[in-house]
Amino acid sequence: DAGITQSPRHKVTETGTPVTLRCHQTENHRYMYWYRQDPGHGLRLIHYSYGVKDTDKGEVSDGYSVSRSKTEDFLLTLESATSSQTSVYFCAISEYGTGGDSQPQHFGDGTRLSIL
Amino acid sequence: AQSVTQLGSHVSVSEGALVLLRCNYSSSVPPYLFWYVQYPNQGLQLLLKYTSAATLVKGINGFEAEFKKSETSFHLTKPSAHMSDAAEYFCAVTFSGGYNKLIFGAGTRLAVHP
Repeated sequence: DAGITQSPRHKVTETGTPVTLRCHQTENHRYMYWYRQDPGHGLRLIHYSYGVKDTDKGEVSDGYSVSRSKTEDFLLTLESATSSQTSVYFCAISEYGTGGDSQPQHFGDGTRLSIL
Repeated sequence: AQSVTQLGSHVSVSEGALVLLRCNYSSSVPPYLFWYVQYPNQGLQLLLKYTSAATLVKGINGFEAEFKKSETSFHLTKPSAHMSDAAEYFCAVTFSGGYNKLIFGAGTRLAVHP
């Protein structure tokens, strides 16, 4: 299994509080991603990173920010959590593909976040 | 724009029966396609991927999928279901130059009955 660690694995917090989720990889992969998983929606991309300090928005980025100060860590922050952000959050990593090929993503075990 | 549709949010089969999970995609450029499996309280695990080398792709655990451009489909099959195949399955698409970003289908939950 790819070396991906998400922390915390579970968190319960209150509306309006800031929350930071951490993704740590030991694979030295260039690309990192944050997804949220909700019933009936599959996984939806929140933000992604294509290098240190290089990030961009995904499909559902409102209310989220990210930072990547070093290759191995990708942080997801909810500045002021809302109940609609209750979800399971997954981090994924991927190698840079050569020759136009697309490399698969490898996923962490997820963080279950409940906002009351 | 790319999109993925998985037909059937729930599929139920008997142990030993054929498994067929359907995936159709929409893409304006040549797609790369993936199937992932998720067991309860776990992350997603790669089953197989199509990246234009061969239209019939074999994956782990006896699964395979066939890319059919004319039908814009990438259905997942397994000849004989095992109880351990019960899980949720996701089809996903990406394209070259897209930072390997994936667009997922909504998922199909497979139940296997004795």
